Amino acid sequence: AQKITQTQPGMFVQEKEAVTLDCTYDTSDQSYGLFWYKQPSSGEMIFLIYQGSYDEQNATEGRYSLNFQKARKSANLVISASQLGDSAMYFCAMREGRGGGFKTIFGAGTRLFVKA
Amino acid sequence: DAGITQSPRHKVTETGTPVTLRCHQTENHRYMYWYRQDPGHGLRLIHYSYGVKDTDKGEVSDGYSVSRSKTEDFLLTLESATSSQTSVYFCAILGQGATEAFFGQGTRLTVV
Repeated sequence: AQKITQTQPGMFVQEKEAVTLDCTYDTSDQSYGLFWYKQPSSGEMIFLIYQGSYDEQNATEGRYSLNFQKARKSANLVISASQLGDSAMYFCAMREGRGGGFKTIFGAGTRLFVKA
Repeated sequence: DAGITQSPRHKVTETGTPVTLRCHQTENHRYMYWYRQDPGHGLRLIHYSYGVKDTDKGEVSDGYSVSRSKTEDFLLTLESATSSQTSVYFCAILGQGATEAFFGQGTRLTVV
């Protein structure tokens, strides 16, 4: 069964330091996609980064990178040079392949606090 | 902007009444989703759709039904609202290439 696990309910990081948010997943599909979203206190969901299961290189988007370890079924988000504005909830998500109707589920989230 | 809007944005309703939430998109995307967000649970998938009249259940579908009679609208109905369905509901669509999901602004539903 499709499953996403985020084991860190909360994380603290000093401003300008890097932080890793953990995400593990489980699926029987060979084709799937992994996403990270940010939800600030205002409530909107902001797309950060995407990794396809067949992508050989780790995805990067500015200060965000996704550390994709397929054999370990992990898709950790790395935020470099943290900023105060990075304080938010972060959600990992997984989309199954077309055969599964592109069903997409989310983890429980990690709340990140950036300290000045 | 993926042109996705939810209505209403806020609603208070009484236990036992039916409630319908609407998700409307302007971009003709095929895949649409309804989630509920509760503290400690993240976003949980209620139902999703992969085309007109094609829908399937998610993780927490009990007490909810959906309909999609045209591409642009995906309706979520609480058949008989209960206090446990007090939540924030998000609609999402999957963009071209299935590499990004766009979200509506959310609907805050309170069942009293």
